[in-house]
Amino acid sequence: IAGITQAPTSQILAAGRRMTLRCTQDMRHNAMYWYRQDLGLGLRLIHYSNTAGTTGKGEVPDGYSVSRANTDDFPLTLASAVPSQTSVYFCASSALVETGELFFGEGSRLTVL
Amino acid sequence: GQNIDQPTEMTATEGAIVQINCTYQTSGFNGLFWYQQHAGEAPTFLSYNVLDGLEEKGRFSSFLSRSKGYSYLLLKELQMKDSASYLCAARDSNYQLIWGAGTKLIIKP
Repeated sequence: IAGITQAPTSQILAAGRRMTLRCTQDMRHNAMYWYRQDLGLGLRLIHYSNTAGTTGKGEVPDGYSVSRANTDDFPLTLASAVPSQTSVYFCASSALVETGELFFGEGSRLTVL
Repeated sequence: GQNIDQPTEMTATEGAIVQINCTYQTSGFNGLFWYQQHAGEAPTFLSYNVLDGLEEKGRFSSFLSRSKGYSYLLLKELQMKDSASYLCAARDSNYQLIWGAGTKLIIKP
């Protein structure tokens, strides 16, 4: 049972480059989320999707975009990376929006130079 | 505004009991969650409270007081593997989670 798979696990990226972080889940969960985690701060929601075909903005959406073409995949794209986007990115899912238990991927560590 | 406060770091001894406190302020309230996160790993779900009172699950218990905007996570019979960060999160009226910065728990032999 894979749960949630994120790729890449780690990446160093030059500023200005475009980058897509991939996230795939095999639990048939309706809701999916992208968070970033920075030292000393709580997890911050970037974008979310309550169900396939819909997306919404979280607390820190600027510079990021997402799509939800199907239930399983929820990629996060940085159109033009900046150093402040250096962070650990976690993809998560829950069966429904109303369900509190989130299942997290192992994270993608991104460094923008 | 919405806010979660929890201590940055705590130290406890193997075999002892530790209580990690969390206070929250959210726009509406739909539950309080605790997650465990070992260094370099993903958070994993520990507990969920939506009604006042204590929820017990093995060595871990979680308490909620909605009137006080307060929760705690109680860990008994501490083991070295309990060394981790513990994340408190409150869910607001839009069912979005507001996360605390986490409490790093250090267990000493």
